Amino acid sequence: SQTIHQWPATLVQPVGSPLSLECTVEGTSNPNLYWYRQAAGRGLQLLFYSVGIGQISSEVPQNLSASRPQDRQFILSSKKLLLSDSGFYLCAWSVHPDNNEQFFGPGTRLTVL
Amino acid sequence: AQTVTQSQPEMSVQEAETVTLSCTYDTSESDYYLFWYKQPPSRQMILVIRQEAYKQQNATENRFSVNFQKAAKSFSLKISDSQLGDAAMYFCAYRSAYRDDKIIFGKGTRLHILP
Repeated sequence: SQTIHQWPATLVQPVGSPLSLECTVEGTSNPNLYWYRQAAGRGLQLLFYSVGIGQISSEVPQNLSASRPQDRQFILSSKKLLLSDSGFYLCAWSVHPDNNEQFFGPGTRLTVL
Repeated sequence: AQTVTQSQPEMSVQEAETVTLSCTYDTSESDYYLFWYKQPPSRQMILVIRQEAYKQQNATENRFSVNFQKAAKSFSLKISDSQLGDAAMYFCAYRSAYRDDKIIFGKGTRLHILP
């Protein structure tokens, strides 16, 4: 069966510090991968998606970046965090090319102080 | 570009009663998929129900059913016999049948279940 992992589960970082959130998927190959942010009391905002290794599409210009070094690994990064980067970050995957449904990870709660 | 609108930020329903969550969408495409996702306090996103646009029959999953009105671009979720465990954020979502990239989510409706 397929599983998706995210870590860390929670993170508290000072403004200006770097960020690296990792997402890995098991039990499937060549998935589409997604990073979402959910700010407090708000809906899901798609940040990045990837249809293959090294292929990243950015939805919202910001100080975040994403990389996909391996087929089932998706990393969200920042060189310098802003206060506005606080939120709940969700990674998701879908079957390529079906993409009928997205399966979500447990999420990472990021607090920038 | 496609958009998904959930006009009810919050709703409440008495336990064991029925509640309907609204969702409208805008698209010029004729074939697509629609979803309702549930996000309980644990924050884990869970797929509740899925509808293919080419199917006229409304999807049902146990106590969850949808009212899909393609011409009106409406996709409401009905929860029957509401239970305390149904308390969550509910997101309506759209995915094109022509593009293999992303799903578009509404902003969500927070559902409270009153005991």
